[in-house]
Amino acid sequence: ETGVTQTPRHLVMGMTNKKSLKCEQHLGHNAMYWYKQSAKKPLELMFVYNFKEQTENNSVPSRFSPECPNSSHLFLHLHTLQPEDSALYLCASSLDRGSNQPQHFGDGTRLSIL
Amino acid sequence: EDQVTQSPEALRLQEGESSSLNCSYTVSGLRGLFWYRQDPGKGPEFLFTLYSAGEEKEKERLKATLTKKESFLHITAPKPEDSATYLCAVQAHNQGGKLIFGQGTELSVKP
Repeated sequence: ETGVTQTPRHLVMGMTNKKSLKCEQHLGHNAMYWYKQSAKKPLELMFVYNFKEQTENNSVPSRFSPECPNSSHLFLHLHTLQPEDSALYLCASSLDRGSNQPQHFGDGTRLSIL
Repeated sequence: EDQVTQSPEALRLQEGESSSLNCSYTVSGLRGLFWYRQDPGKGPEFLFTLYSAGEEKEKERLKATLTKKESFLHITAPKPEDSATYLCAVQAHNQGGKLIFGQGTELSVKP
């Protein structure tokens, strides 16, 4: 596989469930990102990891918990979500966070909270 | 505050009807401006990076230009397969790779 792969593509969960989103990149990059995309709103950066270390948390509620075990994998653990958390969650990677090279995105996980 | 505004929000063109999309930005030291294309149900696909005013990049029917305040994405003789949402994002110096995105322009090209 090449590029950035996200699983699952779609997820429906209740507010009391716990689930995880997975992202894997095969580009040899060292920086990985989580973004939230809601309808009619710009992409919002959530978290940044550089060489497995979290370098930015953009005031994200604690019900979202990221994990980056290595430079190729990124997870977003979800628990006790709210209806307003329904959105497309996008993962991206780039050479490293200090680079001005482009970020490359996966196709996202469409999350629906019942 | 760093900001990106794209216009128009939506654009409908006939096949072959050339036009331009606008991306206006305010940023404290531009490191790079990025254009992406996003199809429904897909993630953004990278198109171009522009680094300094006066720079231009081309790819098939698309041409991106950059000034100190805005970028244009010119579409020449578009085809229906060019229909998508086009996103503009800026990266500022000393922001650790953070991209600030505009809301996008939804382009529809009718045959």
